Amino acid sequence: DQQVKQNSPSLSVQEGRISILNCDYTNSMFDYFLWYKKYPAEGPTFLISISSIKDKNEDGRFTVFLNKSAKHLSLHIVPSQPGDSAVYFCAASAGNTGNQFYFGTGTSLTVIP
Amino acid sequence: NAGVTQTPKFQVLKTGQSMTLQCAQDMNHNSMYWYRQDPGMGLRLIYYSASEGTTDKGEVPNGYNVSRLNKREFSLRLESAAPSQTSVYFCASSEAPGLAGWGGELFFGEGSRLTVL
Repeated sequence: DQQVKQNSPSLSVQEGRISILNCDYTNSMFDYFLWYKKYPAEGPTFLISISSIKDKNEDGRFTVFLNKSAKHLSLHIVPSQPGDSAVYFCAASAGNTGNQFYFGTGTSLTVIP
Repeated sequence: NAGVTQTPKFQVLKTGQSMTLQCAQDMNHNSMYWYRQDPGMGLRLIYYSASEGTTDKGEVPNGYNVSRLNKREFSLRLESAAPSQTSVYFCASSEAPGLAGWGGELFFGEGSRLTVL
């Protein structure tokens, strides 16, 4: 049973606009969340993270929002650039058993020039 | 600055053959992981090793074995390959999490594409 879900397999956005990628989770024990970016034929690379004590974390053009009551997180990319075109995975972990990271199925983002 | 290195990058096997995927990291990380990526399934954890000398099953361990050879190396073995094991395999490593205040990230290798005919 998928504990981390990304319900949008794909997303297309115009260059310069905002990209919003969504992620939902079911396990209330998850308290640490990460976003990864993956280009074809490469391994995923870490993008940004957030712990459950925060509801927002920002790093340059990337902001992650966490809504614990809704068990929902989102990644905002502003402004979107063609180089952002990739597959984005969200992942979650429970701190007290933090060795297992559970990944979503990914969202393929295409930024149109 | 190699990070996480996986070998081989590509492999074709016949059903029933065995093989071992090798993984090494040079970041002095305690924890290492094997994931598989399949279309529509995301990344699923096969096995992980929280520290040298320990291994634990993940979400999809059936058909696989692992060995944490030392702190640097974590291998994944398919004893009798099946077509359902056709996938892209990723090794990853991370700092060992604390029991509280967990934070950190996984560092991934470039992946190993395995086809079982």
